[in-house]
Parts: sequence; structure tokens; C-alpha cells
Amino acid sequence: AQTIHQWPVAEIKAVGSPLSLGCTIKGKSSPNLYWYWQATGGTLQQLFYSITVGQVESVVQLNLSASRPKDDQFILSTEKLLLSHSGFYLCAWSQTGESAETLYFGSGTRLTVL
Amino acid sequence: SQWGEENLQALSIQEGEDVTMNCSYKTYTTVVQWYRQKSGKGPAQLILIRSNEREKRSGRLRATLDTSSQSSSLSITGTLATDTAVYFCATDHYNQGKLIFGQGTKLSIKP
Repeated sequence: AQTIHQWPVAEIKAVGSPLSLGCTIKGKSSPNLYWYWQATGGTLQQLFYSITVGQVESVVQLNLSASRPKDDQFILSTEKLLLSHSGFYLCAWSQTGESAETLYFGSGTRLTVL
Repeated sequence: SQWGEENLQALSIQEGEDVTMNCSYKTYTTVVQWYRQKSGKGPAQLILIRSNEREKRSGRLRATLDTSSQSSSLSITGTLATDTAVYFCATDHYNQGKLIFGQGTKLSIKP
């Protein structure tokens, strides 16, 4: 069975500090990977997606970057946090990236920027 | 209903009652997916309904899709306290593989 693990579970960071969030998928070869962001009480906004190692597409510009260093790993980062980065970050995977595809989400990372 | 610039909708009902949540979308899609997100967790898919299907059932859940009015609904019969969650519909924007989520409906079931 496939499992998706996100780390850390929660972070409290200062404005201007760097950030690195991670996501690992086990039991699935070559998944499509996604990062979503969710404001408190808000909807899910897709940030990045990746179909293969080393390739990441940006969907929205939020002064964040993403990388896929391994087939099963997806990293979200920034060198300088803004207050607006606060929220819930979710990693997800899908089989092929086609429209009729289920997204499987991790449990998320709650980020608070002070 | 959820979509566009609308705020998160909230519904509160008694356990055992039935409920229907609506979703209207603005652009062409071949699929509507419904997800449920419990507090502090990631969303989980409940139902996927395709444009050639008018209705789809899964246990106590029933989804409908009307492509002519670009709307979908999710009904839950005999609600349980464990159905308390936020429910999102999601569509594929012009069939481009990018899943776009609606604003969500926050459903609270009172025991």
C-alpha cells in the first residue's frame, strides 16, 4: 500500500527566516507530485507539480520554490518567509496526472509565520 | 453553493438528517471530484463523477452532475457525527490535469 508522509507536522517561524518542508511517498513508483496551500478556512490552491525527478512546474508565484531530488521525495522551500506564507501545506500524489485522477493527500504541515 | 469568490459555506444539522451540498463551476470539465477534509487533516476523495454520468452512488453518498448548468451536488443520507468536515468539489480546468477546488462547505453534524 502507498503511504505519504509529510514533515514537519507544524512549524512556527519568524518573518525573513528560511523554510524547508518535505514529503515522501512510499510504495508508488514515479508518481505525479503536488504541493497545495490552504489558508485557514480557505480552499486549496495548487502551488507546484512534478511528473518526474528534477522537473517541477510552478502554478502560482508565492516566493516559494519546489524541488524533486528523488523519485519519492518533494521539497518546498523559501529563503525568506513572509507573513502571507502562513497556512496549511499539503503534499499530494496521483497516478498519471490526467484529469480523471484521484489525488492522495498527506496530513499536511501547519506553518505559522510571526 | 461553492465556487468563485464565495466564502466558505457552513451548514449545521442534526445527526440522522439528510443533507445536500451544491457546487457550480465556471469552466469546461470532464470530471467532478468530491473530497472531504476533516479538521487538521488532508482531504480524501469521496466520489468521482464523469461528464457522461448523471448520478453516482457510494454507500450513503450520492453525487449528481449536470453539465448543461455546470453544477454538481453531493448528498449524504442519514448523517453521522463523523460526517462533520469540510466538503470540496474539484474540477479539471479545461481538462488540463490541474485540479481546481471550490471554496468548500463546512458541515457540522450535531449528535
